[in-house]
Amino acid sequence: DAMVIQNPRYQVTQFGKPVTLSCSQTLNHNVMYWYQQKSSQAPKLLFHYYDKDFNNEADTPDNFQSRRPNTSFCFLDIRSPGLGDAAMYLCATSIDRNQPQHFGDGTRLSIL
Amino acid sequence: GENVEQHPSTLSVQEGDSAVIKCTYSDSASNYFPWYKQELGKGPQLIIDIRSNVGEKKDQRIAVTLNKTAKHFSLHITETQPEDSAVYFCAAVDSGYSTLTFGKGTMLLVSP
Repeated sequence: DAMVIQNPRYQVTQFGKPVTLSCSQTLNHNVMYWYQQKSSQAPKLLFHYYDKDFNNEADTPDNFQSRRPNTSFCFLDIRSPGLGDAAMYLCATSIDRNQPQHFGDGTRLSIL
Repeated sequence: GENVEQHPSTLSVQEGDSAVIKCTYSDSASNYFPWYKQELGKGPQLIIDIRSNVGEKKDQRIAVTLNKTAKHFSLHITETQPEDSAVYFCAAVDSGYSTLTFGKGTMLLVSP
């Protein structure tokens, strides 16, 4: 059974049109992460939540924001997507920092 | 911050051979080193991990070794099978932020 679920699996949006990706987890983990992975590259951390505490990576563009309304759900909002934002977006969870991270299967975002 | 180098970028072996992937890290305070397997169209899957108080860990055909002095760790896969074909990522925890830094990945191809 999937423990980290990302919806949708594929998302197409228009240049500049806001888009929201969602992630849910059944593990009751404290930490949730969002990564961006471009073709043939390693995942790159955008930000993470430790419980309700939001932690942004220094080089994450302001265009990317996140919400975590409760333990189970986390959202990635891209306010004005550009062509360079086309990528796979991965959500992961861990019970605590410095503990194994469990990934979902990602949302592949395309920008027209 | 942490920097993780991974080699080789591609590795082709015959079924039944062994495969070795090597990584080096820069932060001497890093203490957690996971390995992930990523199949096409899926999220990374944790296959084995090691902490800095251990030199080696095995799980069936997979083993990881860690040399803290030299700051390098390696993944060893024995008796490779075609289903082992995937991209493998090493990672290290950044001691300052407790977040993962990934290597650039190794594409492993196991030929029948």
